[in-house]
Amino acid sequence: DAGVIQSPRHEVTEMGQEVTLRCKPISGHNSLFWYRQTMMRGLELLIYFNNNVPIDDSGMPEDRFSAKMPNASFSTLKIQPSEPRDSAVYFCASSLAYTEAFFGQGTRLTVV
Amino acid sequence: GENVEQHPSTLSVQEGDSAVIKCTYSDSASNYFPWYKQELGKGPQLIIDIRSNVGEKKDQRIAVTLNKTAKHFSLHITETQPEDSAVYFCAANSGGGADGLTFGKGTHLIIQP
Repeated sequence: DAGVIQSPRHEVTEMGQEVTLRCKPISGHNSLFWYRQTMMRGLELLIYFNNNVPIDDSGMPEDRFSAKMPNASFSTLKIQPSEPRDSAVYFCASSLAYTEAFFGQGTRLTVV
Repeated sequence: GENVEQHPSTLSVQEGDSAVIKCTYSDSASNYFPWYKQELGKGPQLIIDIRSNVGEKKDQRIAVTLNKTAKHFSLHITETQPEDSAVYFCAANSGGGADGLTFGKGTHLIIQP
């Protein structure tokens, strides 16, 4: 299995622009998680889905952030409009319920 | 919600020595405690996990202990090697693995040759 696949690996955008991060979970996994990693705040859970349904989005920082999972093999995290403080590494992870969560390689986002 | 504290933030040990990283959690309902290793430029990777129905688990040079009463758990790495150098994260989960994890802030482990 190729593991959790995230794209792009790196994204540099200007403040105010829309950014879309993409994730393909491991086939057969029914839970998907979006995390944000910064030096100051560490790894923070933003939102997670179970069977494509958002279960807990309490970690989404603001209305500028939105996430979708239209099917079991694809999810997006969108930031609109982006701000410099959104600069971070964003990770997607997937799991089969009650088992280990597998992380992707992350997307390093820089907003200038 | 859950709060996980991890220490130390940086740990330097001589190659061949043991390393211990400690974490505490706040939610007594938490029942799943994984440890992740993150190398530079990569995503976290699970190295060992423990559930609340056991007190200790070993996998070769790595072991994890859990004290539910005190709400703390520890990672022990014996006979450290250069490839053990990385950032290690503890985490806790009250959903037993079905919900999102709450992570500690990480420990940068440095193995001195």
